[in-house]
Parts: sequence; C-alpha cells; structure tokens
Amino acid sequence: QKEVEQDPGPLSVPEGAIVSLNCTYSNSAFQYFMWYRQYSRKGPELLMYTYSSGNKEDGRFTAQVDKSSKYISLFIRDSQPSDSATYLCAMGLRAAGNKLTFGGGTRVLVKP
Amino acid sequence: GAVVSQHPSWVICKSGTSVKIECRSLDFQATTMFWYRQFPKQSLMLMATSNEGSKATYEQGVEKDKFLINHASLTLSTLTVTSAHPEDSSFYICSASSETQYFGPGTRLLVL
Repeated sequence: QKEVEQDPGPLSVPEGAIVSLNCTYSNSAFQYFMWYRQYSRKGPELLMYTYSSGNKEDGRFTAQVDKSSKYISLFIRDSQPSDSATYLCAMGLRAAGNKLTFGGGTRVLVKP
Repeated sequence: GAVVSQHPSWVICKSGTSVKIECRSLDFQATTMFWYRQFPKQSLMLMATSNEGSKATYEQGVEKDKFLINHASLTLSTLTVTSAHPEDSSFYICSASSETQYFGPGTRLLVL
C-alpha cells in the first residue's frame, strides 16, 4: 500500500462545475499538506498548503484536511478550461527536512 | 515571491557526455533543495536532498556517482548527469524549501 493514495483520473467536468479531488494517507505523523497543480511539461505550482485540520480557502480553491480520517481534499469552484492540469497532493513531516511524499496525481479536464 | 528558476529548460546531448542543470531560488534563501525526476504521465520521483554546504542525501536506487549534486550557496544547487545515456532522458525538476517546497519549471533532457 502506498503512503499516499490518489485517484489518477482522468476527471472530466463541464466548465463552471465544481472539481473535487482527494487523497488518503496512511502515516498519521504527517503534519503539513499541500496541493500542487502541474501543467504538461512544466514544474508543479503550489496552490495551497495547510498545517491543521479544517478548511482553508483561497479564491476559487478550498483545501480540506481531516487528520482523524487521514483524508485531504481540494475543491475548485467555477472551474475553467485553464484549470485542466494534473493535481498532486503532497504531505510531509516538519522534522524530515521538508521532504514531501506525493500522491500519484489526478488528471483533470475541464470541457468548455 | 518564492520563485525558483532552472537552466537550461531543455537540452539535447550525445551519449557519454555530461550535462549540468542549475537550480536557483531567486527571491529567498533555501537551505534545502530537492531534485526530482519525472517520466511521462507519472508522479515525481525524489532523487536526492541537497543541503547547503554538505553532501547530498540520495534516495535508494539513485547512483550518486552518476548524478552529482552540488549546493554551494543558499540560492544555487546544481545537478550534473555524468556520462549520460539514453535511459537518462527524462524531465528533471528541482525544488527549493522555504516552509514548503517551491518548484522550478523543469529541465527536459534528451540523450541521443
């Protein structure tokens, strides 16, 4: 079993819909959680990061962490074709030199 | 803020030659930088963790004599692929750590 599980997709949604992404993890010691967006042939771009359980909102993006269930989510409201990309969840331990463990990524396609 | 650059963005070389890739944090100091490799439609694979002024820590299965890493300053780390072969062709991405990881745009290496 991988430490971080993420559905590879692809996830296809119509423009304007809510995109819902999630990851589950097995290591309860993880302390901080990130979501990255990666366009084809580009480096990952940090979207959200959080250290605590609960919700964090930034524009159209909401990150949700449930440490008790070892489950994190990312919601994208009012999705646009430009949101079409691969979304990677990542998590880490503060003590590990900020080393991250990544999910496999979910491909998202927002159709106009 | 938190901009990371990589140079070159792509490189083509002949088998047996060495290739150097630079990773710079442009607007912050990074005591730790990371080097990843990514194959098409796959997630990031951590190759090594680089700390300023000390030897890099390589992940299991990564040849340290083949992938030379130097982290001479708080803003610069380099990865040298020595005696490159076609199987080394890949997308190499660095990240710099400042509370969390910020990624460079990646370097596409093609070895003929």
